[in-house]
Amino acid sequence: DAGVIQSPRHEVTEMGQEVTLRCKPISGHDYLFWYRQTMMRGLELLIYFNNNVPIDDSGMPEDRFSAKMPNASFSTLKIQPSEPRDSAVYFCASSFGVMGNQPQHFGDGTRLSIL
Amino acid sequence: AQSVTQLGSHVSVSEGALVLLRCNYSSSVPPYLFWYVQYPNQGLQLLLKYTSAATLVKGINGFEAEFKKSETSFHLTKPSAHMSDAAEYFCAVGTGFQKLVFGTGTRLLVSP
Repeated sequence: DAGVIQSPRHEVTEMGQEVTLRCKPISGHDYLFWYRQTMMRGLELLIYFNNNVPIDDSGMPEDRFSAKMPNASFSTLKIQPSEPRDSAVYFCASSFGVMGNQPQHFGDGTRLSIL
Repeated sequence: AQSVTQLGSHVSVSEGALVLLRCNYSSSVPPYLFWYVQYPNQGLQLLLKYTSAATLVKGINGFEAEFKKSETSFHLTKPSAHMSDAAEYFCAVGTGFQKLVFGTGTRLLVSP
C-alpha cells in the first residue's frame, strides 16, 4: 500500500521566493498533519485538518505560512515570502479515526533550504 | 493536557547490549502511547502502540515496551542491540480527540 507521499523531497530556493510543499495522504485517512523538524526546536505541529477542514493552526509560525486541503487526497503548505529561518524538514502525516487513539503515518519529508 | 518526557537526548550502547529508552507521560485520562523510530532522511515510522489491551507491547524489529501506570512510564527495550537500530526514537501520548504529543526524541548510538 502506498504511504504518505510528499513532494518535492528537497527544495533549495532563495530568500523571498514562494515555496509550495505538497502532500498526498493515505487513502481513506481523515486527518492530515503538517510538522516541521529542526535541530533547535525538534518536531513541531504546524496545522492539522479533519475531513479537509483546518482544525488547529496555532502552530503556524507566521502569516507567511498557509496550508490548504482542497480535497481528501491532496494538501499544500505554502511559505510566502520565504526566509532562511524557515529552513527545516517538513513532514506530512495522516491518520484515521479518533485522533488521539490512532498512530500517525508520516511521509519521508521535504528538506527545505532557504538561502 | 497530556505531556511526555524522554530522559536522555542520546543513549550509547554496544552491539549486543540491552537497549533501554525511557519515556514518562502525564495524562489525566487513560492514555494511548506510541513509540516511533526515525532513520536518517526518513519520516517517523511506528514501532509499537499501547491501547490498554496488554501492558507489554511487542513491536517491530524486536522492540517491546511495558506500560506501568504506577510509574507513568512506557520505556522501550530491546534485549540485544544491532547496528541497524541506530536512529532517533520518539515517544508520543494521545487521548481521545486530543492531538498526539511527541517527546523530544532520543538518539540511539550503537558501537561495534
